Amino acid sequence: AQKITQTQPGMFVQEKEAVTLDCTYDTSDQSYGLFWYKQPSSGEMIFLIYQGSYDEQNATEGRYSLNFQKARKSANLVISASQLGDSAMYFCAMREIVGFNKFYFGSGTKLNVKP
Amino acid sequence: NAGVTQTPKFQVLKTGQSMTLQCAQDMNHEYMSWYRQDPGMGLRLIHYSVGAGITDQGEVPNGYNVSRSTTEDFPLRLLSAAPSQTSVYFCASRRDFDSYNEQFFGPGTRLTVL
Repeated sequence: AQKITQTQPGMFVQEKEAVTLDCTYDTSDQSYGLFWYKQPSSGEMIFLIYQGSYDEQNATEGRYSLNFQKARKSANLVISASQLGDSAMYFCAMREIVGFNKFYFGSGTKLNVKP
Repeated sequence: NAGVTQTPKFQVLKTGQSMTLQCAQDMNHEYMSWYRQDPGMGLRLIHYSVGAGITDQGEVPNGYNVSRSTTEDFPLRLLSAAPSQTSVYFCASRRDFDSYNEQFFGPGTRLTVL
């Protein structure tokens, strides 16, 4: 079974609007971490935001926020006030505590911001 | 502080050739790992290491070897390259086994096997 599912292969958003990128995860662990990474066309992986499974408040980092719904096992990334530079691939990832902390990545969502 | 560095950036191999992808980090991180990224599949873990002298397999270890003789270096060896190993390879590190910090990724190595 897929550990991380990103159901949106590609998305468009108008500049200055907000956009939500979906991510659902599958784990039987009680303790885990959820991450979002950005990969621009240059190829590097850029860490955006982290949410721990025991964190009661949704994580926020500048224009990024993580909408964490534990019961639904979802960890959606919300980007507010989209900018042209936000055009990139976005990956959701999960780190399980059991088994040496392996990271699992989703297949990614390609976001295009239109001027 | 260079972070995570990888060499080479690009490589073309013929089927059956062997080579080593280099990865180094200068952050004194204990945990290092190798991923491959294939189109439409995200990143998949190949091998990882929780410290010098300790390595283990990830999701897709076949055809690859690793060793960790120092904290800084974590090379990935392709023993006999196959076209199925054409991919982009990322090395990553984080502080330690229990750390909740994010992983730091290298810039990637784009490998083509003909």
